[in-house]
Amino acid sequence: EAGVAQSPRYKIIEKRQSVAFWCNPISGHATLYWYQQILGQGPKLLIQFQNNGVVDDSQLPKDRFSAERLKGVDSTLKIQPAKLEDSAVYLCASSSRTSGRTGTDTQYFGPGTRLTVL
Amino acid sequence: AQKITQTQPGMFVQEKEAVTLDCTYDTSDPSYGLFWYKQPSSGEMIFLIYQGSYDQQNATEGRYSLNFQKARKSANLVISASQLGDSAMYFCAMREEYGNKLVFGAGTILRVKS
Repeated sequence: EAGVAQSPRYKIIEKRQSVAFWCNPISGHATLYWYQQILGQGPKLLIQFQNNGVVDDSQLPKDRFSAERLKGVDSTLKIQPAKLEDSAVYLCASSSRTSGRTGTDTQYFGPGTRLTVL
Repeated sequence: AQKITQTQPGMFVQEKEAVTLDCTYDTSDPSYGLFWYKQPSSGEMIFLIYQGSYDQQNATEGRYSLNFQKARKSANLVISASQLGDSAMYFCAMREEYGNKLVFGAGTILRVKS
């Protein structure tokens, strides 16, 4: 079974530029997550989709970050305009959870996109 | 609010020995799940092991076991017979039963010496 795919793996941009990241979850997984991992810290959830609807975007800086999951499969995370503090690894994860109890619902992560803002 | 604490920034272990990575958590929810992930230098987060708050036995997965002490709110990861490939960052994480967020600790860097 193919894992979570992300692209690009690395991206270097200058501040105030725009950037977009792409994620393809594990086939059949209804829930998709975007995390931001700043160097030396654990990942922090930015947004969670269930199918193509947003479940939680409370920690997404909506003035500059946006995300969509059209057709409930692939997802794109965009930053516009980027700031120096956005330098981080952006991780996409997916799980089969559809609703209700967490149970043993395990999130599987992609390789991440390492963003450097100069 | 959920909180995960990993007090060991870095650990060294000799190859073939066992090592324990500490994790304590805080939650007011009586039902929750605890997870450990491994993050090698390549960056991918690899799921290792899961423990549910109502599970009667400690979870085990191959060389990984979870020392779950509910009263102390600790969920330490034990890696037996360490291998050089175990060198990585290890994260403890928790999610409440009906919660959305998987909350991570700051991580522990493990280095296995030959």
